[in-house]
Amino acid sequence: ILNVEQSPQSLHVQEGDSTNFTCSFPSSNFYALHWYRWETAKSPEALFVMTLNGDEKKKGRISATLNTKEGYSYLYIKGSQPEDSATYLCASARDYKLSFGAGTTVTVRA
Amino acid sequence: DTAVSQTPKYLVTQMGNDKSIKCEQNLGHDTMYWYKQDSKKFLKIMFSYNNKELIINETVPNRFSPKSPDKAHLNLHINSLELGDSAVYFCASSPFGGSTDTQYFGPGTRLTVL
Repeated sequence: ILNVEQSPQSLHVQEGDSTNFTCSFPSSNFYALHWYRWETAKSPEALFVMTLNGDEKKKGRISATLNTKEGYSYLYIKGSQPEDSATYLCASARDYKLSFGAGTTVTVRA
Repeated sequence: DTAVSQTPKYLVTQMGNDKSIKCEQNLGHDTMYWYKQDSKKFLKIMFSYNNKELIINETVPNRFSPKSPDKAHLNLHINSLELGDSAVYFCASSPFGGSTDTQYFGPGTRLTVL
């Protein structure tokens, strides 16, 4: 299982503000990086799968970037809304396994 | 029309008992997984099956035995339950099992061992 780290562990954002947080993963033998959104009492839902260095993906107000050479990815939330409150998980993929980080829990205050 | 379903949602049992958790996916995927959410909230892979064949067994105790009767089902049987088995268990599936495959998760089963 790969060592995947996320920071910060949690953050609070005022509604309307933008925020970002980090996922670090081993850069050697990199295959793919996944981002998931996990709301309380629900299942993790896929946001992005990223494979190429310099990749940028966007879904609505959420976007992500990928640096495979240095082993990190950023997730950005633009103009945070209360419905963005969730835990955001990243996972590094190799073969049939996803190795998850512990997540960043985002709380958006109205 | 739930994509990945698990039963039961909650399971409370005594130490030493044997219990099973069932998982079904109606997505036509080839690969299914079991994850355990540990006390620090990490999701950790336990098993993975591709077309009913075991392909990952992530150093899980022998008391845990997955069974895949067909590629739409992956059940988890746990013998001689211990206190440390208390956790939330998630089933997931993906189309082929490759590194770029999105995994689709079930709602989780909260197991409490007393």
